Amino acid sequence: ILNVEQSPQSLHVQEGDSTNFTCSFPSSNFYALHWYRWETAKSPEALFVMTLNGDEKKKGRISATLNTKEGYSYLYIKGSQPEDSATYLCAFQGGSEKLVFGKGTKLTVNP
Amino acid sequence: DTAVSQTPKYLVTQMGNDKSIKCEQNLGHDTMYWYKQDSKKFLKIMFSYNNKELIINETVPNRFSPKSPDKAHLNLHINSLELGDSAVYFCASRTRQGETEAFFGQGTRLTVV
Repeated sequence: ILNVEQSPQSLHVQEGDSTNFTCSFPSSNFYALHWYRWETAKSPEALFVMTLNGDEKKKGRISATLNTKEGYSYLYIKGSQPEDSATYLCAFQGGSEKLVFGKGTKLTVNP
Repeated sequence: DTAVSQTPKYLVTQMGNDKSIKCEQNLGHDTMYWYKQDSKKFLKIMFSYNNKELIINETVPNRFSPKSPDKAHLNLHINSLELGDSAVYFCASRTRQGETEAFFGQGTRLTVV
């Protein structure tokens, strides 16, 4: 069974705080690690897809790092805003086309 | 233009009925997926097709049968619906080659009564 774990399950922060959460995944048979942002009543939307160990990607105030040898990725949000409130999903892509999702971290940013 | 579209958006039906959910993508992608979002909002993979060929079939009851008439469409047919089938079903697609993200449909909320 392929396990993709995300922590914490939920997080409440104040507007302006910086925050980060973790995705851990199998270090074997790795092809790519995806991050998605999922707002309530909408569909998941991709943030990043990373493949190389040590990869770091950034989109505005959101960035992500990847460690394929130890099987983890961090997602960082700098200066959180209420509009960042969403569930953040990571997905492990192994050698096949299978995309296995973690259970997500639900972020709430209080104004 | 909607990239990945699912119909219907809502489906309420009685136990024992047979129903279908349709998915179409206009992105030219090779690979399409069906995911089931359970009561805890977890996205669990059900099926994946690549160019009309089934490549992933998780341990899903035989009552669920995907059909891909062409690479732009992946429909989900469910026989003899049960209460436990109530969930939101998401279709997604992506290009097979390279590090490409998946694009999701808006989801179909199925309620079995």
